[in-house]
Parts: sequence; structure tokens; C-alpha cells
Amino acid sequence: SQTIHQWPATLVQPVGSPLSLECTVEGTSNPNLYWYRQAAGRGLQLLFYSVGIGQISSEVPQNLSASRPQDRQFILSSKKLLLSDSGFYLCAWSTRTTGNNQPQHFGDGTRLSIL
Amino acid sequence: GQQLNQSPQSMFIQEGEDVSMNCTSSSIFNTWLWYKQDPGEGPVLLIALYKAGELTSNGRLTAQFGITRKDSFLNISASIPSDVGIYFCAGPDLNYGGATNKLIFGTGTLLAVQP
Repeated sequence: SQTIHQWPATLVQPVGSPLSLECTVEGTSNPNLYWYRQAAGRGLQLLFYSVGIGQISSEVPQNLSASRPQDRQFILSSKKLLLSDSGFYLCAWSTRTTGNNQPQHFGDGTRLSIL
Repeated sequence: GQQLNQSPQSMFIQEGEDVSMNCTSSSIFNTWLWYKQDPGEGPVLLIALYKAGELTSNGRLTAQFGITRKDSFLNISASIPSDVGIYFCAGPDLNYGGATNKLIFGTGTLLAVQP
């Protein structure tokens, strides 16, 4: 069966410090991968998605970047964190099909607090 | 563009009560997904619906794909304290074809269950 792992679970960082959040998927090949941010426990905002190694699409201009160095690895980064980067970050994967109707499956998230 | 409107925004009920929530859109969807998010965790897929009129159950949960394809309903029978969480509906973003499997999420229904 497929599993998705995110780490760390919680992170407290000072303003201006760098960031690296990692997500890996097991039990599937060629997944689509996604990074979301959730503020205040409500809506999910899509930040990045990837349909293959090295292929990254950004949804909103921001202080963050994403990379996919391996098929089942997705990394969210920042060179210098802002206070507004605080939030709950979720990684998700889906099967890649042409039907565009596959569910996404989420990791347990990373709670990021910027001081 | 496509939007999903969820109602109610929040519900406070007594244990044992039945719950009903819905998701509506001005656009047609070909898939409806229902997720539940426990506090501090990632959303978990509850039910996936792929055909207009489809009625699917998962334990005490029942979801229906509206016949107009513009709405979906989720019912929970005989609620228990562990039903607490945020319930999201989602559907494929049809502005993105191919294999991106991007989803549009509703704003969520917060459910609180009093023992």
C-alpha cells in the first residue's frame, strides 16, 4: 500500500532563517505531488505541484520554492523565512492519469511557526 | 472560475445526532471527494463519487453525487465524539487538463460533537 511521510512534524524558526521541508511517498511510481499551506485550520491553498522529476508548477507568487530531485521526493524550501510563512504545510500525492479525477492523499503535515 | 461553497460553516451537535452538510458549485463537476481532517493532522479521504446520482456509504457516512452534477451531500448518522473535525469537499479543477489532478477544495465544515 502507498504511504506518504512528511517531516518534521513541527518546526520553530526565526525570521530570516532558511527552510527545508521534506515529503516522500512509498508504494507507488510516477505520482503527482503537491504542497499546500493551511492557515488558521481552514482552507487549503495550493502552493506547488509536480507531475514529474524536475517539473514544478507554482500557483502563487511567494517566498517559497519547491524541488523534486527524485520521483517520490518533494521538497519545500525558503532562503529567508518571513513571519507570514507561518502555517500548516501539507504534502499530498495522487496517481498520475489522464482522467484528472484522482483523489489526492495527504501527509500528516508540518506545523511551522516563525518567531 | 470554479468554486465550491460548503455549508454550514460549522455545526455543534450532541452525540447521537445525525449530521448533514453540503457542497455546491455554479460549475459542473465530474468527481466529488469528501475528506475529513482531524485536529493537527492531514485530511483523509472518506468517500469518492464519480457518477451523477451515485450514493456511496462508508460506515456511518453516506455521500451523494447530485443529479445536476453541481452539488454533493455528506450525511453522518448517529454521531460520536471522534467525528469531530473539519470536513472538506473537493472536485477536480477542470481549468487544468491532462494529468495534473489538481483539486478545488471547499472552505470546510467544522463539526463539534458534545458527548
